[in-house]
This record gives sequence, C-alpha cells and structure tokens, in this order.
Amino acid sequence: NAGVTQTPKFRILKIGQSMTLQCTQDMNHNYMYWYRQDPGMGLKLIYYSVGAGITDKGEVPNGYNVSRSTTEDFPLRLELAAPSQTSVYFCASRGQETQYFGPGTRLLVL
Amino acid sequence: DAKTTQPNSMESNEEEPVHLPCNHSTISGTDYIHWYRQLPSQGPEYVIHGLTSNVNNRMASLAIAEDRKSSTLILHRATLRDAAVYYCILSDYGGSQGNLIFGKGTKLSVKP
Repeated sequence: NAGVTQTPKFRILKIGQSMTLQCTQDMNHNYMYWYRQDPGMGLKLIYYSVGAGITDKGEVPNGYNVSRSTTEDFPLRLELAAPSQTSVYFCASRGQETQYFGPGTRLLVL
Repeated sequence: DAKTTQPNSMESNEEEPVHLPCNHSTISGTDYIHWYRQLPSQGPEYVIHGLTSNVNNRMASLAIAEDRKSSTLILHRATLRDAAVYYCILSDYGGSQGNLIFGKGTKLSVKP
C-alpha cells in the first residue's frame, strides 16, 4: 500500500498564479483532509471531505478550493496565489480511529 | 474540541526512557486521547491512542490518569530517530468533521 501520496513535493509560485496540489489515497477511506502548517506551528484544517461529491470548509478555507470526484483523489486548488499561502500542505485520510498523512507539499509564493 | 497543554520542549538521552506529559482538564467522556508525532520534514504519523485504560503498542505506551485529566506518552528507550514534535490531541470522531486539532506539541530532542 502506498497510503497517502502527494504531488508535487515542492513548488515556487509567483503572486497571482494558480496551481493544484494533488492527493491520492489507496485505503478506500471516505474521510479526507487538507491541512496547512506554517513554521513552528501546528496544522490547521483548510477543507475536508466525508465522501465522493461532499466537501466542506475547515478553519482556514479562504483562497482555496477543493473537489472530490472519486474516493481516492482529493485535489486542492489555489486560484490566485498570495505570499500568505506560503506553507507546507498536508493531505490526510481517516481510517476508523487513525489519520494517515501524506509527505506534504512545500509551497513558496514570491 | 477540548484543549491540551504540553511542554514546548523536552530533552532525553539516547536509550533512556522518555515521559511526555499532556494535560487535558476539560476532556469529555467520549474523547479519545491521541498521540501523533512529526519527524523533521515529514507528515505527522500516528503513535498511539486510548480512552480510559493504559495502552501499549510497538512504538510506545500511553498512561492515562484515573480522572482522565492528564496522560503521559512513554517511549521506553529513546533513539535518535525519536527526535520529533509530539502532539497530544483529543478527538471523539463523533463530530461531522472528524479532523484533528493540532497545538504546537512538544519538541523532543534526543542526545547521543
């Protein structure tokens, strides 16, 4: 099992550019999450999904969008990148009582 | 979700036991106590969780106070690879989100 995979590992964006962070899980989990982690801080929830076709906002959703067309994939879209979105982004899926995290995408917006 | 309080940092010597404390005085009856850790430049990984009784697995032990207002994660023999940020998190997974609320955690340093 690959678990939760994320691409890309690292990306530099210019202000105003757009990009999609990819997340895939192979554990057939219904619940999936996107978190961001700023330096020295804990993770904050951006968006989550309880199953294909169902998504909802978390604590810090502004500037982001998500979709969930399949159980496996949960992409995160940044439409107009801003310096405040410089962070490390983690995708996770939830089993019965445990969350499984991907390796993260480090994003730098200049 | 109830909050947890952890020390900002702790130090340990290699091959010695480590006791990482967590206070959660406002824990509710349905909250599980979860521990995750985050190695440098990696995503968080599950360590252990429990509800009322002490728990053991291959990574660690979790000791839960009788009143459940505090708990301790025990690493029996710290290795250099255990240097990480350890997060103590309460979750009942009963809410619609089911997400984990991360604080700043305890940064564990392990000296050779």
